[in-house]
Amino acid sequence: DARVTQTPRHKVTEMGQEVTMRCQPILGHNTVFWYRQTMMQGLELLAYFRNRAPLDDSGMPKDRFSAEMPDATLATLKIQPSEPRDSAVYFCAPFDRCSGWASYEQYFGPGTRLTVT
Amino acid sequence: SQQGEEDPQALSIQEGENATMNCSYKTSINNLQWYRQNSGRGLVHLILIRSNEREKHSGRLRVTLDTSKKSSSLLITASRAADTASYFCADSGGSNYKLTFGKGTLLTVNP
Repeated sequence: DARVTQTPRHKVTEMGQEVTMRCQPILGHNTVFWYRQTMMQGLELLAYFRNRAPLDDSGMPKDRFSAEMPDATLATLKIQPSEPRDSAVYFCAPFDRCSGWASYEQYFGPGTRLTVT
Repeated sequence: SQQGEEDPQALSIQEGENATMNCSYKTSINNLQWYRQNSGRGLVHLILIRSNEREKHSGRLRVTLDTSKKSSSLLITASRAADTASYFCADSGGSNYKLTFGKGTLLTVNP
């Protein structure tokens, strides 16, 4: 969706390295979801934020993962240290509470494909 | 944990045929949504059906919801090669926007 950008689109890194993924909800959406997609587990919700405060991060391994919204136009997901099992595609999905409140649909970014060797 | 479970996991049809995908979920819902994902892309919202609705149409898409059976179906009529993608159902559970996705149906439409 053109409303959302994610960087980097692809990342290959070695085990133990720090990885930071960025999501820009261009329209300044106030709620952002982070998902992880793998062949084995499918699409899993990691965390979501509203107005930059975490609402639910129960799906996220907290010992190595952290998610933040430094401001209303940027959300980040960080893995430190990364492990091979973190290899997946990570999507952010901003939710516009104003217009989305009636439709509840989520707009997914193009994803960051992470490979940890 | 995954709530929505799509059936079949994979479906291959000829262009012009109809494609039907089914989804089951486990708990009560406020709404159920269907998304499409082309290879290497993010998910795109297709259609939402609320818990008090039984059927909804959007272009060549028809979605049904049976809350007594906790199931939904997505019908794509007159399929095209461009419909080739993975299709996911996502239920909202008790919230309206926290979605739980199934593992998807891979639809291949052969020209």
